[in-house]
Amino acid sequence: DAGVTQSPTHLIKTRGQHVTLRCSPISGHKSVSWYQQVLGQGPQFIFQYYEKEERGRGNFPDRFSARQFPNYSSELNVNALLLGDSALYLCASSSGRGERGGADTQYFGPGTRLTVL
Amino acid sequence: GESVGLHLPTLSVQEGDNSIINCAYSNSASDYFIWYKQESGKGPQFIIDIRSNMDKRQGQRVTVLLNKTVKHLSLQIAATQPGDSAVYFCAEIPGRGSTLGRLYFGRGTQLTVWP
Repeated sequence: DAGVTQSPTHLIKTRGQHVTLRCSPISGHKSVSWYQQVLGQGPQFIFQYYEKEERGRGNFPDRFSARQFPNYSSELNVNALLLGDSALYLCASSSGRGERGGADTQYFGPGTRLTVL
Repeated sequence: GESVGLHLPTLSVQEGDNSIINCAYSNSASDYFIWYKQESGKGPQFIIDIRSNMDKRQGQRVTVLLNKTVKHLSLQIAATQPGDSAVYFCAEIPGRGSTLGRLYFGRGTQLTVWP
């Protein structure tokens, strides 16, 4: 089975532009989470979606939005890009069934490297 | 707030030696802990996990130890190989309910294995 896939792999934008990143979860997984990883740091939680509903949101401005589609794939949108948005954007998928008494193992994709100039 | 951190940013070991990577967490309500390995240019790769009702869990060449008294987590890698060179992150899920699925990561430890 294919793992989590993300597109594009790399992206260069200029300040003020917007960007859409895409993620396809592992087959059978219904939950997708998005993380931002700045160079030299651990990933930071942005959003989680389950069954097309937002399940959680991290401490990110409203310029960040996301959605999940009926096939469980997801998009992350960022408007009015800032230099500080340059990062690796990671998507993680999980079953959403909470088989570990409430916590799911999350499996990450390769990420999208966003550079804002 | 929750805080997950690592004691050492870098660790260098010789091939064949055992490696120990440490992690401290601050939220005593954390229920679930995961170790991830991240190679350059790739996403984090799941290694092993442990629930708060366990002290130890073993996988293939890896062991995770959880000490809830001092809120400390460690990853032991036996017979470390060059392919183990990567950044290792511990991550926690602080509890049940609305924070399910929200992983909190530490800064990471860069493990370098010398031949």
